[in-house]
Amino acid sequence: GAGVSQSPRYKVAKRGQDVALRCDPISGHVSLFWYQQALGQGPEFLTYFQNEAQLDKSGLPSDRFFAERPEGSVSTLKIQRTQQEDSAVYLCASSPGLAGGRWGELFFGEGSRLTVL
Amino acid sequence: KNQVEQSPQSLIILEGKNCTLQCNYTVSPFSNLRWYKQDTGRGPVSLTIMTFSENTKSNGRYTATLDADTKQSSLHITASQLSDSASYICVVSPSWGGGYNKLIFGAGTRLAVHP
Repeated sequence: GAGVSQSPRYKVAKRGQDVALRCDPISGHVSLFWYQQALGQGPEFLTYFQNEAQLDKSGLPSDRFFAERPEGSVSTLKIQRTQQEDSAVYLCASSPGLAGGRWGELFFGEGSRLTVL
Repeated sequence: KNQVEQSPQSLIILEGKNCTLQCNYTVSPFSNLRWYKQDTGRGPVSLTIMTFSENTKSNGRYTATLDADTKQSSLHITASQLSDSASYICVVSPSWGGGYNKLIFGAGTRLAVHP
């Protein structure tokens, strides 16, 4: 596709359920980021992949959060045993360069809105 | 304390008017500063990117300025249109940390343009 695609766009989960959010980056983009955006706030960094390697997961809020990008393209963010505080929009972004867009562009998807009841 | 602070939190202006949004940051050193536009329910879209050595960058009706000495940036919107209604987010890319782009986002200014 032409842009970064995320699915599902909306997800409602009961507290304690596991969820999986998918990101399909722009074809050929090396760098992939996940961000969490709470209502009325700016996005906050979760994790960064360079190809299939997860180089930084320092932003993941707990060990219930897990991300993977096994073949260096599609990425999945998994949240286990969801809690109400996990409710947020999860944004995926990709960039063509190894530096993760340090001097260039990051392209964002439209996000997956997770609501935990 | 947030490393990137924006003001005002929200703003209402009439169509055709100009406005200026402010961004103060403490991130240092930094590689570049960006302004993004985020429509409701959409992902952020880049408007401008300025390196630490640039003072101004324009993109159509959007003009960003940067004062690295005072650690301030502004985004000026000229002749506003209804489609400018969105959140405008100031983003700083620090020089430190991993050699990749670990962006630090402000909370945004929510702009509403009324007819």
